[in-house]
Amino acid sequence: KQEVTQIPAALSVPEGENLVLNCSFTDSAIYNLQWFRQDPGKGLTSLLLIQSSQREQTSGRLNASLDKSSGRSTLYIAASQPGDSATYLCAVSRVGSARQLTFGSGTQLTVLP
Amino acid sequence: DGGITQSPKYLFRKEGQNVTLSCEQNLNHDAMYWYRQDPGQGLRLIYYSQIVNDFQKGDIAEGYSVSREKKESFPLTVTSAQKNPTAFYLCASSILGTADKETQYFGPGTRLLVL
Repeated sequence: KQEVTQIPAALSVPEGENLVLNCSFTDSAIYNLQWFRQDPGKGLTSLLLIQSSQREQTSGRLNASLDKSSGRSTLYIAASQPGDSATYLCAVSRVGSARQLTFGSGTQLTVLP
Repeated sequence: DGGITQSPKYLFRKEGQNVTLSCEQNLNHDAMYWYRQDPGQGLRLIYYSQIVNDFQKGDIAEGYSVSREKKESFPLTVTSAQKNPTAFYLCASSILGTADKETQYFGPGTRLLVL
């Protein structure tokens, strides 16, 4: 059974800092790994998708890496801003499971002005 | 605007009552999904559908039912058999193309509370 773990559960940083969020998964048989953002009481917004054959993806100040063999991904946020405050969730798409996503429990990020 | 709508935003259920959560999408997506989110936890899959008139159970389907009579609509019914229904419910949809490139698009969610 695929399990996804995110560390830390919560993180508070001052504005302008660079930071790294971690995600680990137990089964390397995945189609892709995705990072989502969730604001309080809202739905999820897709940030980055890394295909199983890729090592990283970048979008603006965000960079996500994938090491499938070790079951790890990181989300790097450069020059953090108060508007980045949200919960960040990672999810993996399991091979042979009709594209089902397995989610981690998220990292709640607070960027202090 | 294309997107996914969920209604109502808040829903209250009495003991023994069945309630239905609405999910509609105008993205022409093939697949639709229902997830449950409990405080401080990730999303867990309840049901999914890849084609009209067909759907499959996810990890936590007990106490829930769905239908997929139209491509655009995927309502979720929380039955009285679901003993702990208080949660945030999220609907999502996706195109069925190359699996490694697919992402899911999410609605704004419905918060269900028990009276």
